[in-house]
Amino acid sequence: DAKTTQPNSMESNEEEPVHLPCNHSTISGTDYIHWYRQLPSQGPEYVIHGLTSNVNNRMASLAIAEDRKSSTLILHRATLRDAAVYYCIRGGTSYGKLTFGQGTILTVHP
Amino acid sequence: EAGVAQSPRYKIIEKRQSVAFWCNPISGHATLYWYQQILGQGPKLLIQFQNNGVVDDSQLPKDRFSAERLKGVDSTLKIQPAKLEDSAVYLCASNEGAGHNSPLHFGNGTRLTVT
Repeated sequence: DAKTTQPNSMESNEEEPVHLPCNHSTISGTDYIHWYRQLPSQGPEYVIHGLTSNVNNRMASLAIAEDRKSSTLILHRATLRDAAVYYCIRGGTSYGKLTFGQGTILTVHP
Repeated sequence: EAGVAQSPRYKIIEKRQSVAFWCNPISGHATLYWYQQILGQGPKLLIQFQNNGVVDDSQLPKDRFSAERLKGVDSTLKIQPAKLEDSAVYLCASNEGAGHNSPLHFGNGTRLTVT
């Protein structure tokens, strides 16, 4: 039970912004939202995480809804290297016990 | 910093044979994890170590899988005997601790094919 819902796939054009949605309607007050991505033939890679406030780092931005039942990962300018599977994960008190769903396959067109 | 190292990169065995995977986490990382990723699915946690102690092995099929982290650094995961359904990528990850501000760092995995 991954406890998050993501679209199976999304497509984008290079240099355009990408908004990857995630639904986590049963989230508890102490659960963080984590995003990882997995490029082909590699292990997952940390992207960003947050609790209540919107978060920014060099890779992406995370927008968390006010009721925390959904969030959006924003890639400001997609590149071909951003083509990957993106996982949205609820992190409870046992952070390391991350439950990965099937994620969203992002395709970036040149 | 050097990343999480795993070996071998690929392994092909026949069912009922045994196999072992090795992982060297990032230096100083106290927590080490083994995940199993079946083709087309997300990774599934098998076991979590804190230093050399097991924190969670609730999803480890203990009749055939075993793992150890004797000196609190590197770790081995063993399967004996292997079944066809064990074909997957075995990922090792580590982080400084169990807090939310300590992201997991994954290795590139060992791809196991059981024939």
